[in-house]
Amino acid sequence: QKEVEQDPGPLSVPEGAIVSLNCTYSNSAFQYFMWYRQYSRKGPELLMYTYSSGNKEDGRFTAQVDKSSKYISLFIRDSQPSDSATYLCATFHAGGTSYGKLTFGQGTILTVHP
Amino acid sequence: DTGVSQNPRHKITKRGQNVTFRCDPISEHNRLYWYRQTLGQGPEFLTYFQNEAQLEKSRLLSDRFSAERPKGSFSTLEIQRTEQGDSAMYLCASSLEGGAFFGQGTRLTVV
Repeated sequence: QKEVEQDPGPLSVPEGAIVSLNCTYSNSAFQYFMWYRQYSRKGPELLMYTYSSGNKEDGRFTAQVDKSSKYISLFIRDSQPSDSATYLCATFHAGGTSYGKLTFGQGTILTVHP
Repeated sequence: DTGVSQNPRHKITKRGQNVTFRCDPISEHNRLYWYRQTLGQGPEFLTYFQNEAQLEKSRLLSDRFSAERPKGSFSTLEIQRTEQGDSAMYLCASSLEGGAFFGQGTRLTVV
């Protein structure tokens, strides 16, 4: 079992839809959580970074963390064709010998069609 | 440009040759990461550094892979005796606290 599980999709939505992307993780040592966006043949771009359980909002993006169920989500409101990309969740080891290590999910391919 | 810089952007090499990639992190970032990514997969952890110390190396990596970060600044990743299965995007990232910032990657093709 992978430490971070993410449904690869693909996910296709119409422009303007609300998108929900999700990941689960298994290691309680994961204390920080990130979402990245990756366009084809480019490096991942950091979108959101959060520590606490609860919501963090940045424009059309909302990151949600539920540490009790080890579940993290990214919501995109008013989705645009330019949001079409692969979205990666990532976790940060905050304990033990792997302190500072980042572990990624497989990525979800999102297409927003006009 | 103060982002993470990776060179070269593309590398084509013959099977059996050695290759070396370079990563220049964001200035003052103490952590530096190397990942490998193939089509349709998330970044796969290779190794990471805290300053000049290599803290962990993936058990999936063979001894053909080695990385260094002399003086805690730039880093190099070397692959010896390349194999076709090494063809992938090699990503470098750096961080101070919190989220890491990635470079544009080095795309390696082994023919």
